[in-house]
Amino acid sequence: GQNIDQPTEMTATEGAIVQINCTYQTSGFNGLFWYQQHAGEAPTFLSYNVLDGLEEKGRFSSFLSRSKGYSYLLLKELQMKDSASYLCAAPSSGSARQLTFGSGTQLTVLP
Amino acid sequence: NAGVTQTPKFRILKIGQSMTLQCTQDMNHNYMYWYRQDPGMGLKLIYYSVGAGITDKGEVPNGYNVSRSTTEDFPLRLELAAPSQTSVYFCASSYRTSYGNEQFFGPGTRLTVL
Repeated sequence: GQNIDQPTEMTATEGAIVQINCTYQTSGFNGLFWYQQHAGEAPTFLSYNVLDGLEEKGRFSSFLSRSKGYSYLLLKELQMKDSASYLCAAPSSGSARQLTFGSGTQLTVLP
Repeated sequence: NAGVTQTPKFRILKIGQSMTLQCTQDMNHNYMYWYRQDPGMGLKLIYYSVGAGITDKGEVPNGYNVSRSTTEDFPLRLELAAPSQTSVYFCASSYRTSYGNEQFFGPGTRLTVL
C-alpha cells in the first residue's frame, strides 16, 4: 500500500508563513490531496495536485514533485482560524479507488 | 443540498452489542466510503462502494459490514462491538474515483465501546 509521512506538529505565529511537508511512495502515483480538519470536525478538501509545480489558491498553495515523491502545503498570512490538522492523502498503490491518508500535521497558530 | 449526513452523532455501546451507523448523501455520487479515525491519527478506510450493489473492503474491514442498496445510502454495521472499535467514524462520498475527485465528508459519529 501507500506510505505517507508528514510531521506530527508545527507551531507558527499569526501573520507568518508556514510550510507543511509530505512524502509518499511514487509507484502508481496519480495525484496528491490536502485536506484541512478542525478539531472535532470532518476533513474538508483544500487542494489536489497531479502535475509538478505550485498551485496557488488564495492564502494556500500546494506544491508537488513527482520524481521526489514530495509535496508541501504553504499557508501565508496565517490566521488563528488556520489552527487545524492538515492531512496529506494519495491514491493507494494498486487501487485508484482508495485514498491513503497521512496521520496529519497539527498546526497551532499563536497570537 | 444537505451533502453527506450521518446518524447518530454520538453513541455508547456495551461490549458485544451491535449497531448500524447511517450515512446518506444527496449529491448523486457514485462512490461512498467509511473511515475510522483514532485520536491523533489519520483516516483508515474500512469499506467503500463504487455504486449501488457493489462494495469492497478497505484497509481495516474486520468487525464491520456494509451494504449499498441505493445510490444515496451506505450504512455501516458493527456486530459484537469491541473496545478496539472506539473511534470516530466518517462517511464520505465522491463523484468518481480518487483521480482528482475530492471526497465530501459527513460530520462523523463518535462511538465509545465500554
